[in-house]
Amino acid sequence: GENVEQHPSTLSVQEGDSAVIKCTYSDSASNYFPWYKQELGKRPQLIIDIRSNVGEKKDQRIAVTLNKTAKHFSLHITETQPEDSAVYFCAAAGTASKLTFGTGTRLQVTL
Amino acid sequence: DSGVTQTPKHLITATGQRVTLRCSPRSGDLSVYWYQQSLDQGLQFLIQYYNGEERAKGNILERFSAQQFPDLHSELNLSSLELGDSALYFCASSAYWGGTEAFFGQGTRLTVV
Repeated sequence: GENVEQHPSTLSVQEGDSAVIKCTYSDSASNYFPWYKQELGKRPQLIIDIRSNVGEKKDQRIAVTLNKTAKHFSLHITETQPEDSAVYFCAAAGTASKLTFGTGTRLQVTL
Repeated sequence: DSGVTQTPKHLITATGQRVTLRCSPRSGDLSVYWYQQSLDQGLQFLIQYYNGEERAKGNILERFSAQQFPDLHSELNLSSLELGDSALYFCASSAYWGGTEAFFGQGTRLTVV
């Protein structure tokens, strides 16, 4: 089955700096890659996703890149703000395979 | 609001007891996932159902079982509860069994005392 590895497990950045979280996946049949943000005690919420037919997708300060050849994808957050502090999960799924999550990255944005 | 409803929100029970967690998926979604999240941990996949049938199984204990009913709601049954079963249990729903967005409910916080 699919295996998703996520790095780093913790990330601390200063407000205004950029943050990058990286994930690799094992199943070349995976074609859907969402990112979720989970604030303390709350549900994971979908913040951005990308499908395998595109290499990059952007939504304001958030962007996701996908390298199908290398089987890795990354989340980029620019101009970080304190409210970006949360745990971020990447995931991968194929048309006929379930969503598999990475182990999460705790992002701390310091003032 | 994701449209996924979980009940109850909080549950406190004693060791050895049995509880049932309920999940109503978003309207039109056929797939339901169950996850366990212990304090400060990741999302541990338990089981997935699609249109009433089990599709995938994770590290679900034998003391745990689940089902999805004809109206597509799902229940997760936890029996012979142990202190270590205390966790946040999430369900998520998606339109299909793979390759599409999954939306999470607000979770059920289970405390075993």
